[in-house]
Amino acid sequence: SQTIHQWPATLVQPVGSPLSLECTVEGTSNPNLYWYRQAAGRGLQLLFYSVGIGQISSEVPQNLSASRPQDRQFILSSKKLLLSDSGFYLCAWSNRGQDTGELFFGEGSRLTVL
Amino acid sequence: GQNIDQPTEMTATEGAIVQINCTYQTSGFNGLFWYQQHAGEAPTFLSYNVLDGLEEKGRFSSFLSRSKGYSYLLLKELQMKDSASYLCAVSDSNYQLIWGAGTKLIIKP
Repeated sequence: SQTIHQWPATLVQPVGSPLSLECTVEGTSNPNLYWYRQAAGRGLQLLFYSVGIGQISSEVPQNLSASRPQDRQFILSSKKLLLSDSGFYLCAWSNRGQDTGELFFGEGSRLTVL
Repeated sequence: GQNIDQPTEMTATEGAIVQINCTYQTSGFNGLFWYQQHAGEAPTFLSYNVLDGLEEKGRFSSFLSRSKGYSYLLLKELQMKDSASYLCAVSDSNYQLIWGAGTKLIIKP
């Protein structure tokens, strides 16, 4: 069966510090991968998605970046965090090709920038 | 543009029935999802509708009318554990999910 895992689950970082969130998927090949952010009490905001190694699409301008060094690994990074980067970050995957588009989510990473 | 609307918050009583509505306007349609999200947790899949009609799964049912761009999630015999946000999402022409902002459901004893 397929599983998705992201870490760390919680982190508190000072403004201006770097960020690295990692996500891995097991049990499937060539997945579409996604990073979402959810501000408190708000909906899901798509940050990045990837259809393959090294292929990243950015949905919103920001000081975050994403990389996909391996087929089932997706990393969210920042060189210098802003207060507005605080939120709940979710990694997700879906099947490639003409499937339903159903997303399967990781456990989430709560980031607090102070 | 693409738009998905659902109420921000609803309140219901334990043991009762509640209906959460979702209307959408998207570029293409490849199905509609409902996800449940408890506070501080990731969303989990509840239902998927691609054809018109009602899909029933235990205490939860989901309805779709493609001609009206409308869906609802029906929760019966409400339990305190049903307190959560319910997210409506439409799969567009590229099989990308477009998300509503979510409906926070508060269950009172």
